Amino acid sequence: EAGVAQSPRYKIIEKRQSVAFWCNPISGHATLYWYQQILGQGPKLLIQFQNNGVVDDSQLPKDRFSAERLKGVDSTLKIQPAKLEDSAVYLCASSLDGTTDTQYFGPGTRLTVL
Amino acid sequence: GNSVTQMEGPVTLSEEAFLTINCTYTATGYPSLFWYVQYPGEGLQLLLKATKADDKGSNKGFEATYRKETTSFHLEKGSVQVSDSAVYFCALSGSNDYKLSFGAGTTVTVRA
Repeated sequence: EAGVAQSPRYKIIEKRQSVAFWCNPISGHATLYWYQQILGQGPKLLIQFQNNGVVDDSQLPKDRFSAERLKGVDSTLKIQPAKLEDSAVYLCASSLDGTTDTQYFGPGTRLTVL
Repeated sequence: GNSVTQMEGPVTLSEEAFLTINCTYTATGYPSLFWYVQYPGEGLQLLLKATKADDKGSNKGFEATYRKETTSFHLEKGSVQVSDSAVYFCALSGSNDYKLSFGAGTTVTVRA
């Protein structure tokens, strides 16, 4: 069974530029999560989707971050414009459904904002 | 809200040494508890979990027991190997919303 796929693996941009990350969850998984992991900290949930609807985006900085999950499968996370403090690893995870508590993580995208 | 506090690292051990990483939590209700591991260059992987008090999760020689009376879920392994070098994260999932809250992570390095 293929795992959670993410791309790109690494991205370097300058502040005020925009960037987008892509995630393909495990086939059949209805719930998709985006996390931000700043160096030296644990992952922090940014947004949770159930199929193509948003369940929780309370910690998403909506002035600059946006996410979508069209057709309830792939998802993209965008930052526009980026700030220095957005430098982090962005992790995508999926689970079978919102009531199953085992999440499977992708390898992450490491973003560096200069 | 829910939160997890785990032992700060880094931790450096010799092969075959005993490993303990402390983890305590604050939560309402009856959360599920997890240990995730992140090997160098790889994504987070579920190592073990426990869903109710006194449950013991185990995998790859690692064990952790869900202790409600002390709100703890300490990770242990009796004899570590170089391949156990990784970052270990304690996490909990709320009993109502299944959102994962992570600790800060503990870096473990095992030397031959």
